[in-house]
Amino acid sequence: QKEVEQNSGPLSVPEGAIASLNCTYSDRGSQSFFWYRQYSGKSPELIMSIYSNGDKEDGRFTAQLNKASQYVSLLIRDSQPSDSATYLCAAWTGSARQLTFGSGTQLTVLP
Amino acid sequence: DTAVSQTPKYLVTQMGNDKSIKCEQNLGHDTMYWYKQDSKKFLKIMFSYNNKELIINETVPNRFSPKSPDKAHLNLHINSLELGDSAVYFCASSPTGTAEAFFGQGTRLTVV
Repeated sequence: QKEVEQNSGPLSVPEGAIASLNCTYSDRGSQSFFWYRQYSGKSPELIMSIYSNGDKEDGRFTAQLNKASQYVSLLIRDSQPSDSATYLCAAWTGSARQLTFGSGTQLTVLP
Repeated sequence: DTAVSQTPKYLVTQMGNDKSIKCEQNLGHDTMYWYKQDSKKFLKIMFSYNNKELIINETVPNRFSPKSPDKAHLNLHINSLELGDSAVYFCASSPTGTAEAFFGQGTRLTVV
């Protein structure tokens, strides 16, 4: 079974701090990685995608990928209460044409 | 303009009934998916459909069947509903060559 694992949390950080979310995956054939944000009662929303080793920055978000360690992370700088949500990590395996999600990490940013 | 739309948003039905959930996307994407999200928020792929090629997650009971009348639509039909089918079902789509999926608003199915 191909798995994507995340700490379920909850993770609480004060407003303005850096939130660090982590994810590991078991399938070495996974090629692309994604972070989705899901507010309570809403649908998942794609916020970051990363395809190669290293860092990718988009505004306050930075995704990091280390394929050797099978590790993906998401950093949220200057966290805001509006960032409070569940963050889902997903890995794409092209051969299986399957996007596998982790169970999500619940983030709470405290004002 | 809703990119991926599902109907209905809520569905309450009795055990044993047959129901359908409709999904439409206006993004011009070639691949569509159905996901099930359980009470613990775990999002699990059920089906993916691309150019009439259906990929089925082997854990999905055959009571569930996707039906695609055209590239923009992928409906989910469920026979003989069971209590354990209660969940939120999400439709999603992505362009060919990427896995950047865009989700519909979800259908909360409650089987009583």
